[in-house]
Amino acid sequence: AQRVTQPEKLLSVFKGAPVELKCNYSYSGSPELFWYVQYSRQRLQLLLRHISRESIKGFTADLNKGETSFHLKKPFAQEEDSAMYYCALRALSGTYKYIFGTGTRLKVLA
Amino acid sequence: DTGVSQDPRHKITKRGQNVTFRCDPISEHNRLYWYRQTLGQGPEFLTYFQNEAQLEKSRLLSDRFSAERPKGSFSTLEIQRTEQGDSAMYLCASSLEGSGNTIYFGEGSWLTVV
Repeated sequence: AQRVTQPEKLLSVFKGAPVELKCNYSYSGSPELFWYVQYSRQRLQLLLRHISRESIKGFTADLNKGETSFHLKKPFAQEEDSAMYYCALRALSGTYKYIFGTGTRLKVLA
Repeated sequence: DTGVSQDPRHKITKRGQNVTFRCDPISEHNRLYWYRQTLGQGPEFLTYFQNEAQLEKSRLLSDRFSAERPKGSFSTLEIQRTEQGDSAMYLCASSLEGSGNTIYFGEGSWLTVV
């Protein structure tokens, strides 16, 4: 079965500190991984996809198939990064079903 | 706003009543998804459509739940004989085939069953 695990419900860091939001997945095949973000009073929106290998708002994430992880990182946190972050997986087997983790709330303290 | 829109945004209903939610996807998006989210949890997959065909349903979608997308445009999610455990946020999302598989979410419909 496909599963996405985000072990931290809450992560608090000071402004300017590095951030790492953890995401582990279980899936025996080839997955497509995403990070979605939800800012206060806004809808869930895509932050980045592993296929794009891009940096969005200073965030990056590398797919590590050996460790089945897709951790989200940013070297210097900003207050505007405070939000809920969800890791999601899609199995590359013809389905368009996305499995989401339980989310991590990031609080960036001034 | 040309994003995914959902109606109603909030619904309070008595246990045993039927409720229906509507989702209008982004224009020309051929895939449409329904998710359910409860407090402290991530979105849980319910079902998705490609055009008017319902291609996959979760086991979470009991016989009391039915979703339709009759003309491949808007979709409805109906819950019959609501139970208190149905209280949740119902999220709709859409995507365009070939656009990189990014799904765009609506703001959700809050259901409270009393």
